[in-house]
Formats: sequence, structure tokens, C-alpha cells
Amino acid sequence: DAKTTQPPSMDCAEGRAANLPCNHSTISGNEYVYWYRQIHSQGPQYIIHGLKNNETNEMASLIITEDRKSSTLILPHATLRDTAVYYCISQRRGQNFVFGPGTRLSVLP
Amino acid sequence: GAVVSQHPSRVICKSGTSVKIECRSLDFQATTMFWYRQFPKQSLMLMATSNEGSKATYEQGVEKDKFLINHASLTLSTLTVTSAHPEDSSFYICSARDGGPSVDTQYFGPGTRLTVL
Repeated sequence: DAKTTQPPSMDCAEGRAANLPCNHSTISGNEYVYWYRQIHSQGPQYIIHGLKNNETNEMASLIITEDRKSSTLILPHATLRDTAVYYCISQRRGQNFVFGPGTRLSVLP
Repeated sequence: GAVVSQHPSRVICKSGTSVKIECRSLDFQATTMFWYRQFPKQSLMLMATSNEGSKATYEQGVEKDKFLINHASLTLSTLTVTSAHPEDSSFYICSARDGGPSVDTQYFGPGTRLTVL
């Protein structure tokens, strides 16, 4: 079973920020938080990962709470191409990824 | 970013035949590759972990004699579905782990859609 929980679906207006939450209340100190997304009929695409600190790259920002029990993926200016299923995964080095059902994000025009 | 390719992207075969799917890491070496299966409207399910030069590790419920995995080099892993049946029709996705000094980021291929008639 996945060790994270996410809302099943979310909508976001095009051009606005999309904030996708993830709960990982049982995360251990050496587990990373990874985010991937899967556009229909494609393989998952790596977005970002983090351990304790907030992270930002060209795709998104990852905000991890101080207690590490939850995180938020932020897409600063969502476009229609960001419509996808977003997966949040917590994983310790050497451990396999376990994919939950993810959040289906719909970006609306 | 790291690129993983899969071939073929789509295959249709008759029941009872075997199908081979290739997974290649194009710009990095991957000592570990993974094979997943995804049925419609479901999430990815790990089938097996493939380590270069050794036998694959299969998840519970996955038949190793039916899903043959070979990881002969640091950039290539193959999955052969033997004696395919209609229930094997699915979306098969591979990933390659870029094992840096502290993280295990996986990069995924585009997937192979298998249809068994």
C-alpha cells in the first residue's frame, strides 16, 4: 500500500497556481518525498523531490512542512498541458516506489 | 534530464505468442531497472526489479516464467511476455534508477501498450 494520501481530483484555472497536497504522516527521517506526473497514455515524468528543505526547479516548487508529515507541490502558472495525474511518493534509499492512485489535476481554460 | 526509451510503443499479438519489450537508458547507466504494469484507470503496479548481471526480483503474484526479464548491460533491460493471453493486455512501463550519491530518482520510459487478441 502507498504510504501517502492525496485528494483524488482537483481543478485549477489556466494561468493560476496549482497547489497539490500530499499527506505522509508516517514518513521516517530518511525517506524522501518524490513527485511524478503521468499524462494520459504516457510514462510518468519526474517533477521534483525533497527531504527536509523546500525545493524549486524549472517545473515546480515543493514545500515540505517542518514536521515532514505533509507537502505541497506548486505549479506556479498552470497550463492546459499540466493536466495529468500527479503522484506523491515517499521512499527510503534502496526501497521500491509504491504508487497510490494520485491526484487527477484538470486545468481548465 | 535523464531519458529512457522503450520499444515498441505499441504491439498487437495473437494469443499464445511471445512479445519482447526493450527498455534503454539513453544518457546514463542504470544498474537497476524496474518493470511496471498499468491497467486502465489504475495506478502503476511494480512487477519486477531488474539488476544488471543478476536475476530479476519479482513481486508477489508475478510469474517469473511468464514474464522473463534480462538486464544484460547497464543501459538495456528486456521484458518478454511468453505465451501471451488476452488478460496480459496492459500498459507496460519501465524505469531506470539513476542512483546518485543520496537519492534514487527513477526515470520512466514512455510505455508499451500490449494488446493480445
